[in-house]
Amino acid sequence: GQSLEQPSEVTAVEGAIVQINCTYQTSGFYGLSWYQQHDGGAPTFLSYNALDGLEETGRFSSFLSRSDSYGYLLLQELQMKDSASYFCALEGYQKVTFGTGTKLQVIP
Amino acid sequence: DAGVTQSPTHLIKTRGQQVTLRCSPKSGHDTVSWYQQALGQGPQFIFQYYEEEERQRGNFPDRFSGHQFPNYSSELNVNALLLGDSALYLCASSFTTGTGAYEQYFGPGTRLTVT
Repeated sequence: GQSLEQPSEVTAVEGAIVQINCTYQTSGFYGLSWYQQHDGGAPTFLSYNALDGLEETGRFSSFLSRSDSYGYLLLQELQMKDSASYFCALEGYQKVTFGTGTKLQVIP
Repeated sequence: DAGVTQSPTHLIKTRGQQVTLRCSPKSGHDTVSWYQQALGQGPQFIFQYYEEEERQRGNFPDRFSGHQFPNYSSELNVNALLLGDSALYLCASSFTTGTGAYEQYFGPGTRLTVT
């Protein structure tokens, strides 16, 4: 089967940079995605890594290392509205497996 | 352009009853996936539909079944409801390519409460 692990909670200061890590176990996958979910809301797609390396989308960047079974989401210039849960997800063949989620709290 | 829509928003059912949840995908999308999300947990994959067929299924019992219609909309049916079925049910749509169907767009979800 597939499994993903993330830290349960992270706290960071407004304006700072925070990294949310994701380690995974899988026998095969197409890529690693990241989703944001605010309390009471639906997950929204942030980023996707099909290949090793860094993908940058505005203030958000995502990294994947297949050899280390590891990825991370980097959020820069943190804003209060970034307080939410963040999920990494393995994009497999006809199936997506989500991680346990990291609750990010941004403080003033 | 409407995004993914789901109905109903909230639902309260009694243990043992049956429920049907509905989902309309984002325009241009042909693949619908259903997820169950318990409070404080990540979404758990139930199954995925493409071309009106179930392509892949997660670790859910046969009480969970689904359907996709020719217009790509989908239904999730749950029979013999248990208290543990109480959760947020999310529908996600995407477009299938040769390397999978990533960048899913999620609907607002249906909050199911089983009493």
